[in-house]
Amino acid sequence: EDQVTQSPEALRLQEGESSSLNCSYTVSGLRGLFWYRQDPGKGPEFLFTLYSAGEEKEKERLKATLTKKESFLHITAPKPEDSATYLCAVQAGGNNRLAFGKGNQVVVIP
Amino acid sequence: NAGVTQTPKFQVLKTGQSMTLQCAQDMNHNSMYWYRQDPGMGLRLIYYSASEGTTDKGEVPNGYNVSRLNKREFSLRLESAAPSQTSVYFCASSVQGADGYTFGSGTRLTVV
Repeated sequence: EDQVTQSPEALRLQEGESSSLNCSYTVSGLRGLFWYRQDPGKGPEFLFTLYSAGEEKEKERLKATLTKKESFLHITAPKPEDSATYLCAVQAGGNNRLAFGKGNQVVVIP
Repeated sequence: NAGVTQTPKFQVLKTGQSMTLQCAQDMNHNSMYWYRQDPGMGLRLIYYSASEGTTDKGEVPNGYNVSRLNKREFSLRLESAAPSQTSVYFCASSVQGADGYTFGSGTRLTVV
């Protein structure tokens, strides 16, 4: 069974204080690892897909990286608008289903 | 706007009542999914439809049924609602084999 574990569950940051979120996974035949952002009362919004170890992707203050066992979402000099829950998901095997972690809740304090 | 539309946005049911959650996408996606999201549990897959005419159980299918009405629409039915089905329900769609999912804005369901 595919397993996705995210840590820390919750994180409070001062504005400008960089940090990283971790997503560790156990799957057979990884096809892709996905990061989503979810704001309160809304559906998850797609951020990145990573396909192979060593791959990196960036978007504004966010940078996602992938190894064979885990992915990191680095938040550089965060702003209050970066406050959200960040979800990690993996796609494995021969289907399109995603298995999600429980999320990293990030609060950025001005 | 293109995307995934869910109705209703909010619903309160009494135990034993039935209802259908509606989902429609206008992106010509092949695959559609229903998830539930509960505090501390993350998103869990209820049912999915890999393509029009097919449906399969996910991680937590008990108490639910689905219908893939056509390529655009995928509905979720609760035949006899229970308090344990109080949750936020998300519909999503994807192009088979392509990047990730596009999610709807969710239905917040309370069963009393």
